[in-house]
Amino acid sequence: GQSLEQPSEVTAVEGAIVQINCTYQTSGFYGLSWYQQHDGGAPTFLSYNALDGLEETGRFSSFLSRSDSYGYLLLQELQMKDSASYFCAVRDLRDSSYKLIFGSGTRLLVRP
Amino acid sequence: DGGITQSPKYLFRKEGQNVTLSCEQNLNHDAMYWYRQDPGQGLRLIYYSQIVNDFQKGDIAEGYSVSREKKESFPLTVTSAQKNPTAFYLCASSSTGKTIYFGEGSWLTVV
Repeated sequence: GQSLEQPSEVTAVEGAIVQINCTYQTSGFYGLSWYQQHDGGAPTFLSYNALDGLEETGRFSSFLSRSDSYGYLLLQELQMKDSASYFCAVRDLRDSSYKLIFGSGTRLLVRP
Repeated sequence: DGGITQSPKYLFRKEGQNVTLSCEQNLNHDAMYWYRQDPGQGLRLIYYSQIVNDFQKGDIAEGYSVSREKKESFPLTVTSAQKNPTAFYLCASSSTGKTIYFGEGSWLTVV
């Protein structure tokens, strides 16, 4: 089967840097995605890693190590509006499907 | 504008009643998905479809049914067999499986 593990909650101060980790277990692996969800809203796409290394998009960066089945999302210069839940997700390629499985999410609280 | 439209936004179901949640997309995406989210929890896959007239069960398909008669539409029926249906339901679509786009969601409550 497939599983993803993330910390349930992270707290950080405005202006700081925070890292949200994700470890995964899948029979096949295509790539690791990250999504942000504010309370009551729909998840929105943040980043995608198919290859090892760091991908940077503005204040957000995402890292992948396929050999360690591990990735993280790095948020810099934290703002209050970054308070939200963050989900990692993997696409399982066992049957060449577009099946996308999500982790349980990490709730980030940014304090003033 | 292109996007995914879910309706209704809020729905109340009586015990023993079937209800259908609508999902329409005009993004020309092949793949569509239904996820369930309980308060403070993650997203769990109910069903997904990669092409018209074909769909696959996700991790929590029991008590739900879907159809994919048109590329644009992927309605979800919550049947009376689903004993605890109160949740936030999210429809999504994707062209590649790398990135999926979500609708605004539908809140279902059992009364």
